[in-house]
Amino acid sequence: GENVEQHPSTLSVQEGDSAVIKCTYSDSASNYFPWYKQELGKRPQLIIDIRSNVGEKKDQRIAVTLNKTAKHFSLHITETQPEDSAVYFCAASGNSGYSTLTFGKGTMLLVSP
Amino acid sequence: GAVVSQHPSWVICKSGTSVKIECRSLDFQATTMFWYRQFPKQSLMLMATSNEGSKATYEQGVEKDKFLINHASLTLSTLTVTSAHPEDSSFYICSARDGGFGIKLGQFFGPGTRLTVL
Repeated sequence: GENVEQHPSTLSVQEGDSAVIKCTYSDSASNYFPWYKQELGKRPQLIIDIRSNVGEKKDQRIAVTLNKTAKHFSLHITETQPEDSAVYFCAASGNSGYSTLTFGKGTMLLVSP
Repeated sequence: GAVVSQHPSWVICKSGTSVKIECRSLDFQATTMFWYRQFPKQSLMLMATSNEGSKATYEQGVEKDKFLINHASLTLSTLTVTSAHPEDSSFYICSARDGGFGIKLGQFFGPGTRLTVL
């Protein structure tokens, strides 16, 4: 089955800095990669996703890059703000997102003012 | 769009009792729903995949007789934790995937249910 590794487990940055979270996956058949943000005690929220037919996708301060050859993808947050503080999960899925999601273990991002 | 509700948001029960958790897709039809369990400071662990009108598919290590799943309609799936014990205490989250014509990829999560078994 699919295995998703996520690093780092915790990340502390100063407000305004950039943050990068990296994930690797094992199943070359995976072709859909969403990122979720989860605040304490709340539901995971889909913040951005990417399919394997593109290498990069951007939405305002958030971007995701995908390297299919190396089987890794990354989340980039620029100009971080305190409200970006949360746990971020990457995930991988096959069948264009119709298969089950395999989640990484999460990254706790702390943005200090 | 893609709103998922979950009820109750929290429940405290005595050991040995059964607890039912409901997951509803409010503005789309969800042919597939998923049930996850999340322990503090850990990731989401998939328990089972629930398909409307058919039996759920359970992940390895998840007891299907203990965690009963019913997906009787395109907008409702239920998880019943039978004979709950303290080790079943956890945060249970459902998610739903849009199976309608305007397909949105990704899963959309409910707000979760905090179960505490005394």
